[in-house]
Formats: sequence, C-alpha cells, structure tokens
Amino acid sequence: DQQVKQNSPSLSVQEGRISILNCDYTNSMFDYFLWYKKYPAEGPTFLISISSIKDKNEDGRFTVFLNKSAKHLSLHIVPSQPGDSAVYFCAAGTDSWGKLQFGAGTQVVVTP
Amino acid sequence: NAGVMQNPRHLVRRRGQEARLRCSPVKGHSHVYWYRQLPEEGLKFMVYLQKENIIDESGMPKERFSAEFPKEGPSILRIQQVVRGDSAAYFCASSPRDNEQFFGPGTRLTVL
Repeated sequence: DQQVKQNSPSLSVQEGRISILNCDYTNSMFDYFLWYKKYPAEGPTFLISISSIKDKNEDGRFTVFLNKSAKHLSLHIVPSQPGDSAVYFCAAGTDSWGKLQFGAGTQVVVTP
Repeated sequence: NAGVMQNPRHLVRRRGQEARLRCSPVKGHSHVYWYRQLPEEGLKFMVYLQKENIIDESGMPKERFSAEFPKEGPSILRIQQVVRGDSAAYFCASSPRDNEQFFGPGTRLTVL
C-alpha cells in the first residue's frame, strides 16, 4: 500500500536552472510533509517541511508547494548546484501517527 | 551537539546468526523510529518507540524481529536467525516530538 509516490526515479538538470521534484499521496489524513536529501552511504538529511494548513514554505533555495485538493506536493530548488546531486525523498506523516511514509525517491543529477 | 548515532555502520552475518543494531538518539529526544531500506526502494517504517514503550510496531515482521528502547542506553533492533532477505540498510531516527525526524547514518546489514 504505497501511500506516497514519487513517479520520477531520476531527474537531470543543468547547474543554475530550477529542479522540480514531484510527490503524490493518497491518504488525506496526512498532517505534514517533509523532504529529505540522501547521499550514498549516509542517512537522510532533513531539508524542508510543510504543514497541511499551508500551501507554501520557503527556505533559501528550497521551496515546497502543497496542493491539498490534488494531493500533490513539489520541491523546487533554485538555482541548482552540483552539491544538490543526491536522492530526494518525499515523506508524509500525521500528528497522531509518529511514523513517516516515504516515497521511493528521485535521483537528481546536476550537470555543469 | 551529536546527531543520531548508529553502530555498527556495517554488519555482516551468516544465515541463522543474530544481528543487533544500536541507535543512540539525539540527546533529549525521547522518540525513536526504525526504518528499513531495501535496494532501489524508499524507507519503510518498522517500529516507533518511546522510552521503555513500543508505540507502534505495525511495520515489524511478525517473527524474528524485536526492538527495545530501555530507560538507559541505546535503542536496539534485534534480528534473530537472519536470512538473506534481511540484507538492507537500517536507519534509526529520533525526534523530540512526533514530527521532524532526524536520521542516523544507518547500519548496512549483509547476510551471507
């Protein structure tokens, strides 16, 4: 039962351009959503989160947009940098659950 | 401030042996979560613990797997009689409350 889906396994973007990562979910009970970045052989690193009461949250080069009616969220990275090359995971949770549901991840490659 | 610590980072076991994975949460965090990542997949929730209590073990296999978070000391994920299918990366996360989970570097278990 995959409640969080990232349908693009990979994304290639040129340095300086915008990276847009998409995530869809099926469970309307989710209260908050998070994006994690993961390098090989390391644990996921928290990037940015958004509560279900908001539709946008921005932190430096990272912006997350939430469309509750479409059950869709996206992460925008602008401008993309070579150090952004990693796997990005979308995750969702509820205040009463504790556990997070993760998508399968999107491998981002930023090219010079 | 030390982040989430996991040891060992790499663990090799033969089929039928026991694997013990340790997790020390961020100081002051009372919530611990264990996730498993199989190759080419996202993280899958296993168990959620608070000090001396299992809150949610809905992601734990019914047999051979157990977890604890004692009053003193690290959280332990124990896998008895390991099989090849247990080979995966096991991540521990901690949080001061039910969201914003911070992950450790993971333990990569290889079963020969």
